[in-house]
Amino acid sequence: EAQVTQNPRYLITVTGKKLTVTCSQNMNHEYMSWYRQDPGLGLRQIYYSMNVEVTDKGDVPEGYKVSRKEKRNFPLILESPSPNQTSLYFCASSLGPAQNSPLHFGNGTRLTVT
Amino acid sequence: AQSVTQLDSQVPVFEEAPVELRCNYSSSVSVYLFWYVQYPNQGLQLLLKYLSGSTLVESINGFEAEFNKSQTSFHLRKPSVHISDTAEYFCAASAAGSARQLTFGSGTQLTVLP
Repeated sequence: EAQVTQNPRYLITVTGKKLTVTCSQNMNHEYMSWYRQDPGLGLRQIYYSMNVEVTDKGDVPEGYKVSRKEKRNFPLILESPSPNQTSLYFCASSLGPAQNSPLHFGNGTRLTVT
Repeated sequence: AQSVTQLDSQVPVFEEAPVELRCNYSSSVSVYLFWYVQYPNQGLQLLLKYLSGSTLVESINGFEAEFNKSQTSFHLRKPSVHISDTAEYFCAASAAGSARQLTFGSGTQLTVLP
């Protein structure tokens, strides 16, 4: 089954404790991206990647890191999480630019930082 | 850069009534426009998109949206809603030639009442 898999679904952590949210897609997609969803703000792009070893900042990259060492994986790293990073996170992938191919979303990771 | 504004955060409507979810965009370049739907505890799914050509686009489940360049709008409509249409709906835009994927609006929660 074609899908984007995020882990974990739920995560509670404390300020400053490094964490990684994994994202994997099995559709051989070139493009991958991370969004955070907050009430009243919709989805905001954190980082995106157009191919292996090619990543770029989205609208809200501060406090996050990503890597794209393999085509299928695009982990999101929070080196020192803070409470303002409490949010619902989505990974998405697509074959090409959004206008040419729809985004496929994972089911989300709900992160709470205390 | 483009921006997307969804004018209503919540829209309650009775079953079998018509509904319109409003979306306005601003961009200094040509844009492609999308509506995504998010059912509870799931990621987003593409509902319909406007790239070029006919300004009226339709989805397979009865929704339609009309691109209005003069009013910079892309409102979503359905003539008769069902309980199963209850979800959050996101309008999104992608600038022509951009690799940054999508800019999302803040979302509209559609609740269909029996």
